[in-house]
Amino acid sequence: AQKITQTQPGMFVQEKEAVTLDCTYDTSDQSYGLFWYKQPSSGEMIFLIYQGSYDEQNATEGRYSLNFQKARKSANLVISASQLGDSAMYFCAMRANFGNEKLTFGTGTRLTIIP
Amino acid sequence: GAGVSQSPSNKVTEKGKDVELRCDPISGHTALYWYRQSLGQGLEFLIYFQGNSAPDKSGLPSDRFSAERTGGSVSTLTIQRTQQEDSAVYLCASSPPGRYPHNEQFFGPGTRLTVL
Repeated sequence: AQKITQTQPGMFVQEKEAVTLDCTYDTSDQSYGLFWYKQPSSGEMIFLIYQGSYDEQNATEGRYSLNFQKARKSANLVISASQLGDSAMYFCAMRANFGNEKLTFGTGTRLTIIP
Repeated sequence: GAGVSQSPSNKVTEKGKDVELRCDPISGHTALYWYRQSLGQGLEFLIYFQGNSAPDKSGLPSDRFSAERTGGSVSTLTIQRTQQEDSAVYLCASSPPGRYPHNEQFFGPGTRLTVL
């Protein structure tokens, strides 16, 4: 069984500052993928970034980077130079093995950017 | 191009009624997923279709829930004899073949179901 834990129900961050959203996971699988999704108030889930368990480099996508620490089973999302439009719910998720498999989600972190 | 679409966007029903929720995946996507998001919670997996394979129904919470996917495209999630605890946002997602190992899922806007 897989489990995702997000311990920050809500965060407030000043605009233009960097923010780290925490995610830890638990799995017995050797091969897995980790994802971050953003859910604005409109409700749609927007894919942000992916990290494979065997990837040696931390994933980066624009202002998003994933701080992957495999031994600690953590996959924290870092958003640099936060913007007002970053205010949303953020979900960490994982998928076992490769291919089109179900995602297991955490409970999310509500991020609010303060102008 | 067109994304995943779901209909209706909102559905209010009375306890005990049956409801059908529809999902149109992105054209060419072979995998289709249904998730449920209760208020203030993360997403809970319900069911997964991959091509012509038997669906993974392991997440369906009871036998009142069923889903089908016709012609490898459109999917319908049916909830029979709805209960108040079924109130949630039902999200559909699809993913394309061949994007190993990434295979991110593209989500629709969801159907908000309210059972009175």
